[in-house]
Formats: sequence, C-alpha cells, structure tokens
Amino acid sequence: GQSLEQPSEVTAVEGAIVQINCTYQTSGFYGLSWYQQHDGGAPTFLSYNALDGLEETGRFSSFLSRSDSYGYLLLQELQMKDSASYFCAVRDGDQAGTALIFGKGTTLSVSS
Amino acid sequence: DAGVIQSPRHEVTEMGQEVTLRCKPISGHDYLFWYRQTMMRGLELLIYFNNNVPIDDSGMPEDRFSAKMPNASFSTLKIQPSEPRDSAVYFCASDLAESSYNEQFFGPGTRLTVL
Repeated sequence: GQSLEQPSEVTAVEGAIVQINCTYQTSGFYGLSWYQQHDGGAPTFLSYNALDGLEETGRFSSFLSRSDSYGYLLLQELQMKDSASYFCAVRDGDQAGTALIFGKGTTLSVSS
Repeated sequence: DAGVIQSPRHEVTEMGQEVTLRCKPISGHDYLFWYRQTMMRGLELLIYFNNNVPIDDSGMPEDRFSAKMPNASFSTLKIQPSEPRDSAVYFCASDLAESSYNEQFFGPGTRLTVL
C-alpha cells in the first residue's frame, strides 16, 4: 500500500524560509503533489512534481528525488497568511485518474 | 466555472438519522472523489467514480455508507443510520485524468455533526 510521512508541526517567523519534508512508499508512482489547507477550508493544489528536481512557483518551490522516495516543499519570504496545513500526496497507482493518498499534514504556524 | 459545489455546508443531526451529502463536480471532469477528514485519521478516501461508475469503494467504512453518481453532474453520499463517530468534514473533489498537473479540485466540504 501507499504511505507518506511528514512532520506534524513547523513554526517560523515572518520573512523566514521553511522546508517541509515528505517521504513516501508506493507500489506505483505518478508524481508527488502538495496541497494547502487553511483552517476550515478546502485543500487547494500548490504544486506537482513528476520528475526529479525543483519546481518553482513564486514564493513556493517543490523538490522531488524519486530514487530517495523523498520530496519537500520550500516556502520563502513567509507571510502570516501562510499559516495553514500542508499535505503531500501521491496517486494510488502509477497513472492519472487514480485517487490521491494524503500524508497526515504539517501544520505551519507563522508568527510576527 | 463555479468550482466543485457541495451541500449542505453544515449538518447537525441526531444519531440514527439518515444524512445525505451532495456534490456537483466541475463540468467536464471525469473523476469524482469523496474524502473524509478528521483530526485522528486525517484526510482519507472513501470512494471514487470515473465517468459515473464507482471504481474503488474500499475506503467506505461500513454498510451504513453508500454513494451514487446518477449522472456526470451530481453525486450523493448517504449515511444511514448515522452515528456520532461519523462526525467529520466530508469533501468532494473532481479532476480530469488528462490534466498534466495532477490537480484535484476540492469543494468547500460539509461539516457533519452527529449528536
């Protein structure tokens, strides 16, 4: 089966950089995704890595190493609004259209 | 597009009552997913459909839970009878298999409280 491990909590101050790690075990692999969820809200898509390397989208970047079954989400120039839960997720299989399996989530608290 | 629509947004009911949650996926999406989120278990998949056909319902906790998708624009998740341990936020999500970004779109969720 599939499983993902990520830290449960991370704290940081405004303007800092934080990295949220994710390790996974899958029977097949179709990329690693990251989702953000604010308290009381819906998970929203942040990024997707299908191949090794770094993907950058504004202040957020995501990295994947398939050989290490490892990825991370890097958040730069942290703002108070970045306080949220962050989930890594993999597909339940090796193709599109299968369900996502989510990690337990990392709660990021940004303070001033 | 209005995004994934769920109703009701909040539901409070008493143990033993029937609960029906509704979802309208994004038009054109061919996959629909039902997830449940609790503090203890996180975000877990209950069931998903492809072109209105159930593909995997192994996450449905027990026979009290059932889901249908009578057409491409509507799905229901029913709990009968409901129990206090069913209290959770239930999310519906949809996506397009051809999408290159592997993105699922979530609805706002239904917060269910069973007393």
